[in-house]
Order: sequence, then C-alpha cells, then structure tokens
Amino acid sequence: GQQLNQSPQSMFIQEGEDVSMNCTSSSIFNTWLWYKQDPGEGPVLLIALYKAGELTSNGRLTAQFGITRKDSFLNISASIPSDVGIYFCAGQTQGGSEKLVFGKGTKLTVNP
Amino acid sequence: GAVVSQHPSWVICKSGTSVKIECRSLDFQATTMFWYRQFPKQSLMLMATSNEGSKATYEQGVEKDKFLINHASLTLSTLTVTSAHPEDSSFYICSASSLMLAGAYEQYFGPGTRLTVT
Repeated sequence: GQQLNQSPQSMFIQEGEDVSMNCTSSSIFNTWLWYKQDPGEGPVLLIALYKAGELTSNGRLTAQFGITRKDSFLNISASIPSDVGIYFCAGQTQGGSEKLVFGKGTKLTVNP
Repeated sequence: GAVVSQHPSWVICKSGTSVKIECRSLDFQATTMFWYRQFPKQSLMLMATSNEGSKATYEQGVEKDKFLINHASLTLSTLTVTSAHPEDSSFYICSASSLMLAGAYEQYFGPGTRLTVT
C-alpha cells in the first residue's frame, strides 16, 4: 500500500530554534495535510496544501507542497514550549478518494 | 468551526462486553466519517470509512463483524466494539470530512476515546 516516509522521527531542540520536518512518498498525492497531536488528544489540522508548489503559512508554521507532488515539508520558526507534540503529515491520493495516508510522525521536544 | 466530538472520552469494560463510541460533527455536515485506532507511539491506522446511509468500507484486516459502524445521519457515526478483548484496548479516533472550496477534502478529528478492556 501507499506509504509516507516522515523524518525525522524525533527532534530535541532549544526554545527559539527553527524546526524542519518532511514527508516523502513514491506515489503522487493531490493534497497534503499537516497535523499536530498532543498526548491523549486527537490530531489538530495545522495546514492544508492543495497545489503542487504551494507555500502556505499559519503563524510561525510554513508548509510547502512539493513540485513533484511526492513530498512536503513543514517548518516551525522560533519554537516555543507549547510546540511540543507529535506532528503528522497526511496525503490524499490523486484519485480523489477522501482517505488519508499518514506518516509515522515526528515527535518534537522543546527545551525551555 | 469544524468541531468533531467523541463520546465517551474514555471507557473501561470487561472482556466479552460491547462498547459503543459516538462521533459527532458539531457545526458541519459530514457525508463521510472515518474511524482510526492508534497504539502507543504509533501513527493512526485507518479502520473503516463510513458514509451516511450506506455500509461502511473496512480496511484490510479489520473485522467488520467485530467493529460495527453505523452512520445514520450527516452528523453522527457510531463504532461498536463487540465482544471486546484486552487486545482491543487502544485509542480510537474518528474524523469527519468536509469539502473545501478548493475542491479537496479536509479531515477534522475528534478528541479520541481511550478504550481499556480488562
């Protein structure tokens, strides 16, 4: 089945540092979504990307939809302690199915 | 907007009993809802896709007779874990799909239900 390779698996950074994580796939996706999940909670949508090459920001978060439609990255600038959590990328297939394929997540730890 | 609720948030049940989990889209209508389960330190695993008024579509390896899904309205889907066993203990999360202006779908997730089977 389709898989998303998300990296890094975990990150330990100091407050104020910038963070970058990415997802790649061997398949083409027509939508990329980035979610954040706190412990014991459901994922919360951060950014949605619909077009190849699209660059979208949401506050300190910036995400891009790769030109090849097979990758996406998420950047967090000037990290703060509340950025701690697990970040998941998710892709929707070219066929228009609503099903999402999830990456395995990036666990972010921010040291104050 | 785009709020999805789940009830209960956690439940403990005895082995062999059945448990029902509700998923509601509070401020939008969702023709499609999805049910996931998540084991500790793992990603979300899609169990089934639930379309209002029709039978759910289950992912490979998910027992449809064990995980009963009903999607009776555009704002409510239920997952019933029948004859629960300890290995069914997990975090169950639903999501509701909303068609955006861009023509693509965004999924909004509920807060999850922690099921513990003793």
